Amino acid sequence: AQSVTQLGSHVSVSEGALVLLRCNYSSSVPPYLFWYVQYPNQGLQLLLKYTSAATLVKGINGFEAEFKKSETSFHLTKPSAHMSDAAEYFCAVSLEYGNKLVFGAGTILRVKS
Amino acid sequence: NAGVTQTPKFQVLKTGQSMTLQCAQDMNHEYMSWYRQDPGMGLRLIHYSVGAGITDQGEVPNGYNVSRSTTEDFPLRLLSAAPSQTSVYFCASRNPINTEAFFGQGTRLTVV
Repeated sequence: AQSVTQLGSHVSVSEGALVLLRCNYSSSVPPYLFWYVQYPNQGLQLLLKYTSAATLVKGINGFEAEFKKSETSFHLTKPSAHMSDAAEYFCAVSLEYGNKLVFGAGTILRVKS
Repeated sequence: NAGVTQTPKFQVLKTGQSMTLQCAQDMNHEYMSWYRQDPGMGLRLIHYSVGAGITDQGEVPNGYNVSRSTTEDFPLRLLSAAPSQTSVYFCASRNPINTEAFFGQGTRLTVV
């Protein structure tokens, strides 16, 4: 069965600094991987997804993630944090044509001015 | 398109009461799921469906029932509400080809 581990329940960065949110997955077959963002009192919005095309995936709002099979990782990065990036971020894994999307516990990103 | 619509947005129940959370999608997605979100635990899968007439249990199914009589609708029923079911509930739908899930805005449920 697939699973996801997000390292760090809270991450705090200064405005303009690099954002790095960590995600490691476990899957017996090549997975589909996703990052979602949730702003307060809202639903989840897709940031980006990996579907076995390119290992470096670019998403919305300047975020990107790199799939590293050898490290079973899919870390999310953004070169320069904005105040508007403050939110909770979820990594998720699914098998191809799978009927289960499994989420990590989430990482709350705080951006300091 | 409205996407995924959940009703109600907020609900307060007394222990032992029953209710149904509604979810409807207009994207003709085969897959639909219900999750609950609790602080520090991410989203946990309650029940899911791969098509009309087909449902299965997720990670935390106890105390909840679902049915899928149409492609569009996937209601979640709480049989006898308990304080442990206080949570935010999200409905999601997916197209198996694209695999991306689309989420509703959530239902915040409090059981007192």
